[in-house]
Amino acid sequence: NAGVTQTPKFRVLKTGQSMTLLCAQDMNHEYMYWYRQDPGMGLRLIHYSVGEGTTAKGEVPDGYNVSRLKKQNFLLGLESAAPSQTSVYFCASSPRGLANEQFFGPGTRLTVL
Amino acid sequence: AQKITQTQPGMFVQEKEAVTLDCTYDTSDQSYGLFWYKQPSSGEMIFLIYQGSYDEQNATEGRYSLNFQKARKSANLVISASQLGDSAMYFCAMREAGGTSYGKLTFGQGTILTVHP
Repeated sequence: NAGVTQTPKFRVLKTGQSMTLLCAQDMNHEYMYWYRQDPGMGLRLIHYSVGEGTTAKGEVPDGYNVSRLKKQNFLLGLESAAPSQTSVYFCASSPRGLANEQFFGPGTRLTVL
Repeated sequence: AQKITQTQPGMFVQEKEAVTLDCTYDTSDQSYGLFWYKQPSSGEMIFLIYQGSYDEQNATEGRYSLNFQKARKSANLVISASQLGDSAMYFCAMREAGGTSYGKLTFGQGTILTVHP
């Protein structure tokens, strides 16, 4: 099992460029999440999905879009990148259930110049 | 209002000693779960321990234990016999069982633990 994988691991963008981050999980989990991590602020939820074809906004959704066309994949898009979106992005997945931990991907370090 | 508060930005401990990392939370749900994750300098998020709101016993996992005080809404992580490899950022997180939560985790700001030899 690869667990949760993220592509790419690093990326540098110029302001206004667009990109898509790919998250894939092979654990057949229902729930998937995108977080961003900034110094001193912990992890903040951007968007999440409770199943194939469904997505919802988290705590900091502005400037991002997501799609979950297949159960195992969760895509995060930046249509017009801004320097404020410089961050480390983590994808996570979990099965249903209160006690189930979230499994995290290795993260994507994004810099927007 | 902050749902998860970790008041210790940084903590230092001597190798082989025990250390407590503080976490307080705020929720109106009766059913919720509390998690601790470790993030070493390499960046990955490692799950450590879980405590359910209805669990009567404090959770333990090897050298990790969770000091759960429900009335005080605190869920402190205790690491016994610290090792150099315990140096990392530690996050407390909560999952509420409420109808719209969909399993979301809310994280605290984290505590950086440094273990001295």
